Amino acid sequence: EDQVTQSPEALRLQEGESSSLNCSYTVSGLRGLFWYRQDPGKGPEFLFTLYSAGEEKEKERLKATLTKKESFLHITAPKPEDSATYLCAVGNRDDKIIFGKGTRLHILP
Amino acid sequence: DTEVTQTPKHLVMGMTNKKSLKCEQHMGHRAMYWYKQKAKKPPELMFVYSYEKLSINESVPSRFSPECPNSSLLNLHLHALQPEDSALYLCASSQPGGRASSYEQYFGPGTRLTVT
Repeated sequence: EDQVTQSPEALRLQEGESSSLNCSYTVSGLRGLFWYRQDPGKGPEFLFTLYSAGEEKEKERLKATLTKKESFLHITAPKPEDSATYLCAVGNRDDKIIFGKGTRLHILP
Repeated sequence: DTEVTQTPKHLVMGMTNKKSLKCEQHMGHRAMYWYKQKAKKPPELMFVYSYEKLSINESVPSRFSPECPNSSLLNLHLHALQPEDSALYLCASSQPGGRASSYEQYFGPGTRLTVT
């Protein structure tokens, strides 16, 4: 069964303290791995798509990487406005999208 | 324009009511989705429409009835809901062509549904 596991469940960091969020996956025929940011009461906001092992993408303080079994979302020198839930999702060959449970990130000023 | 709009923002309905949720996108996307999200949980896929045809129904109860009148609109008709159906209902769309699971999705802000 296809599965996405994110860790940690929650993470509290001081402003400027860099860290990484993990997304481990098992999937039948990876079509794409997606990272989203979700603020409370709002819809997820698209961040990155990764398709193949070794691929990396960056946007401001965020960098996403992909291996054959996991993806990392690295956050460098975070600010309080980076506080949100970060969701990882994979698309499989049956055209389904499976979401992980998310990591709740809280950046303290 | 990467906006997906949803109406209404909030909806309170009784268990005997019939209501509809609406979703609209003008990005030329040909795949559209309905998700259900409970508090502190990830979105759960309900339905996928690809080129205005229902391609995935994740064993959703028949009290939820989707409709895709054209390539820009997606509706979710609600009837005889239960209190446990209270949740945030999210609409999303993704690029045309290829397989829907290969493309990032753009989500609307959601409709907060409360069933009393």
